[in-house]
Amino acid sequence: QKEVEQDPGPLSVPEGAIVSLNCTYSNSAFQYFMWYRQYSRKGPELLMYTYSSGNKEDGRFTAQVDKSSKYISLFIRDSQPSDSATYLCAMRRGSTLGRLYFGRGTQLTVWP
Amino acid sequence: ETGVTQTPRHLVMGMTNKKSLKCEQHLGHNAMYWYKQSAKKPLELMFVYSLEERVENNSVPSRFSPECPNSSHLFLHLHTLQPEDSALYLCASSQEEGIRTFFGQGTRLTVV
Repeated sequence: QKEVEQDPGPLSVPEGAIVSLNCTYSNSAFQYFMWYRQYSRKGPELLMYTYSSGNKEDGRFTAQVDKSSKYISLFIRDSQPSDSATYLCAMRRGSTLGRLYFGRGTQLTVWP
Repeated sequence: ETGVTQTPRHLVMGMTNKKSLKCEQHLGHNAMYWYKQSAKKPLELMFVYSLEERVENNSVPSRFSPECPNSSHLFLHLHTLQPEDSALYLCASSQEEGIRTFFGQGTRLTVV
C-alpha cells in the first residue's frame, strides 16, 4: 500500500464551481499536511499547510484534515481558469528533517 | 520566483555523457533536497542534505552523485544514465525543522 493515495484525475470544472481534491494516507505518524500547486513546466509551490486535524482557510482555499479517517481535502471556492494546475498533497512526520511524502497529484482544469 | 534557482532548465544527454545539475537557494535555509518527478508517479525524494552533510540517500543508484559544497548550493552529478532516468529533477530547500519547503523550477532531463 502506498503511503499517500491521490486520484490523478483529470478533473475538469466550469469557472465558479467548487472543487474538492482529496488524499488518503496510511501512516498515522504524519502530523503536517500540505497542498502544493504545480503549473505546467514549473516547480511545486506551497499553497497551504495544516498541523494535525482541523480546518484552515485562506481566501478561496480551505484545507481539511481528518486524522481519524486518514483523509485530507482541499476545497477551492469560486474556481478560476488561473486555478488550472496540478495539485499535490504532501505530508510529513513531526520530527523528520523536511522529508515529504507526496501523492501523485490531481490535474485540474477550470474552463471559462 | 521561489528563491530556489536551478540550472539548466532543460538537458538532453546521451547515456555515456557526464553532466551536472546545479541548484542555488537564496533563502538562508540549512537543508536542501533533490526530488525526482516522473510522469504519473509521486515525487520521489532522492537525497537530503542538512548543514552540508548528507543525511539521507533514498536507495538512489550510484550513477547519481550529489554534492553540497555549502548551505546555499547543491549539485547532482550524472553519469552513464539510462533512458528511464528521464524526468523532472527538482531541488528544494527548507529550514531543518521548518514546515515550508520551497522548490525550484526543475531541470527537465531527457536521456537518449
